[in-house]
Amino acid sequence: GDSVTQMEGPVTLSEEAFLTINCTYTATGYPSLFWYVQYPGEGLQLLLKATKADDKGSNKGFEATYRKETTSFHLEKGSVQVSDSAVYFCALSEPPGFNKFYFGSGTKLNVKP
Amino acid sequence: EPEVTQTPSHQVTQMGQEVILRCVPISNHLYFYWYRQILGQKVEFLVSFYNNEISEKSEIFDDQFSVERPDGSNFTLKIRSTKLEDSAMYFCASNRDRSTDTQYFGPGTRLTVL
Repeated sequence: GDSVTQMEGPVTLSEEAFLTINCTYTATGYPSLFWYVQYPGEGLQLLLKATKADDKGSNKGFEATYRKETTSFHLEKGSVQVSDSAVYFCALSEPPGFNKFYFGSGTKLNVKP
Repeated sequence: EPEVTQTPSHQVTQMGQEVILRCVPISNHLYFYWYRQILGQKVEFLVSFYNNEISEKSEIFDDQFSVERPDGSNFTLKIRSTKLEDSAMYFCASNRDRSTDTQYFGPGTRLTVL
């Protein structure tokens, strides 16, 4: 069955450091891949997505590339800010219908000034 | 920007009691979902709902669970007789149609069963 595995946290970085959060997936078909972010007290917000192999999703300085050969969708940001402190979830959903999401367990990011 | 809302933010209940978790999806969305996250574990799919009926449900969604859209705006998850292992964060989500791959999530309700 489908599943998502992401690196355990928490990840603690200093401001302006480079961020990588690893995510790998298992899927029976050709899924869409997502990163969601949850800020304290808020819901899961879509950060970026990619719908096919070699697509790069990007938003707010974050980016992730859909790598079919390595079944990965790692999240990166070149220079993190304190305001990026949150929990990041990798997820996939399969067509047709995109009826449900499969999530990783989430990675908490703490950015120190 | 429209958003999914959920109430309450935190619910504490005694084992064996019934609870109802409430969600207001985005107004023009037609597909609704519940997920849960037990502390330290993955976010898990529970159920999807469309046109006043369940589209798909997971193995977790047994006879103790039910969902309902009682009016044009609310979408509820009922747990009839709560167990300790039902303690989790419950997320509601919605999307406009099945061709749209993005689901929009609420902030979650933390359920604590004592």
